[in-house]
Amino acid sequence: EVQLVESGGGLVQPGGSLRLSCAASRFTFSIYGMHWVRQAPGKGLECVSAINANGDDKYYANSVKGRFTISRDNSKNTLYLQMGSLRPEDTAIYYCAGELHGWFDPWGQGTLVTVSS
Amino acid sequence: DIVMTQSPDSLAVSLGERATINCKSSQSVLYSSNNKNYLAWYQLKPGQPPKLLIYWASTRGSGVPDRFSGSGSGTDYTLTISSLQAEDVAVYYCQQYYTTPRTFGQGTKLEIK
Repeated sequence: EVQLVESGGGLVQPGGSLRLSCAASRFTFSIYGMHWVRQAPGKGLECVSAINANGDDKYYANSVKGRFTISRDNSKNTLYLQMGSLRPEDTAIYYCAGELHGWFDPWGQGTLVTVSS
Repeated sequence: DIVMTQSPDSLAVSLGERATINCKSSQSVLYSSNNKNYLAWYQLKPGQPPKLLIYWASTRGSGVPDRFSGSGSGTDYTLTISSLQAEDVAVYYCQQYYTTPRTFGQGTKLEIK
């Protein structure tokens, strides 16, 4: 079965950093565009960052620009999100998702990031 | 960015009845060269990741029951659940993939009446 597994979430103080990882298996990761999508408590889905298949085109939402960095290692079938200068409003479940033809499929189970003192 | 607006924000429907959720895009997501609508629908249940229901506005995803259907074109789209089941309680999101960034609607919470 196609699978994405996120890791790296947790509790961090405001101003701190975290690195999320998303490990892919049982599909050809290297041809998929990849996205990080978050859901804050009581809120909807927000695309925070995206990267194309070969890693040379990246997108950041204005809310995270300059603080988050997306990257991928196709040799390891892994997607990353380096998160810095974290704020309480970054508290959310972070999902990774793959895109081949436009829609997002597959999705990971999500990892919870809590920014609090 | 294309803004996606769903209506209603929440909806309560009796078991076995029809549920209809609307989605409007701030600009057309119909690509004229291939006549395809770049619109998807997802279902989100607590503790689970989003599940792809519909793509190309009306094509069901793998394993999606046929009580789910999508329609619409241009800027106006609809997700219909023909006969609501208890397991359909969830929040539903539309998403456009016509341009980057991909953008979602605000979500519609579907409950049992």
